[in-house]
Amino acid sequence: DAKTTQPPSMDCAEGRAANLPCNHSTISGNEYVYWYRQIHSQGPQYIIHGLKNNETNEMASLIITEDRKSSTLILPHATLRDTAVYYCIVRENRDDKIIFGKGTRLHILP
Amino acid sequence: DAGVIQSPRHEVTEMGQEVTLRCKPISGHDYLFWYRQTMMRGLELLIYFNNNVPIDDSGMPEDRFSAKMPNASFSTLKIQPSEPRDSAVYFCASSPSGGGLARYTQYFGPGTRLTVL
Repeated sequence: DAKTTQPPSMDCAEGRAANLPCNHSTISGNEYVYWYRQIHSQGPQYIIHGLKNNETNEMASLIITEDRKSSTLILPHATLRDTAVYYCIVRENRDDKIIFGKGTRLHILP
Repeated sequence: DAGVIQSPRHEVTEMGQEVTLRCKPISGHDYLFWYRQTMMRGLELLIYFNNNVPIDDSGMPEDRFSAKMPNASFSTLKIQPSEPRDSAVYFCASSPSGGGLARYTQYFGPGTRLTVL
């Protein structure tokens, strides 16, 4: 898997949009960007993934730059329940494995 | 669907004892993964199975660790003998095969917190 770089921690005020960046400058053409999150004392949870187009679902939006070397996960209206570690992962869809890095610890402030 | 089920949720044992962790994947899922999470090393993949067959066990730390999947609805991770450095949270995850989004999504269980004294 291509290496990803994320800030170790971020703060965001409740009700505001949380924008979590991820750098993946060595990503190859057939690798997707995935985001998972892990709330304290729980297993990781899938959020969203994309290849090159921006994606949106009920949980978040994923913005991928045109050169695909970086992406941003957006939680549009953060709540206290969004406090978690967010993992950005790059992998080919033919890969069975997910390799987790250190992620970004997001604190939502009341 | 009940999701991935793991048991026990907490296990405290003494060094040298055998420990067996259990996992029931989501029905219909063909892939099963075992992970270990510690503060120092983060989330590490230990082994994974496809259709009950071990595919990659390169993450298993040493011979004290073994994993089996006797059927599609059950897997075990065994540590014998256990050591204090095995203390961690162990997660089981499953994913389906076939096309579509779900194929590339892993569903995690709640984990087993293991403490070896």
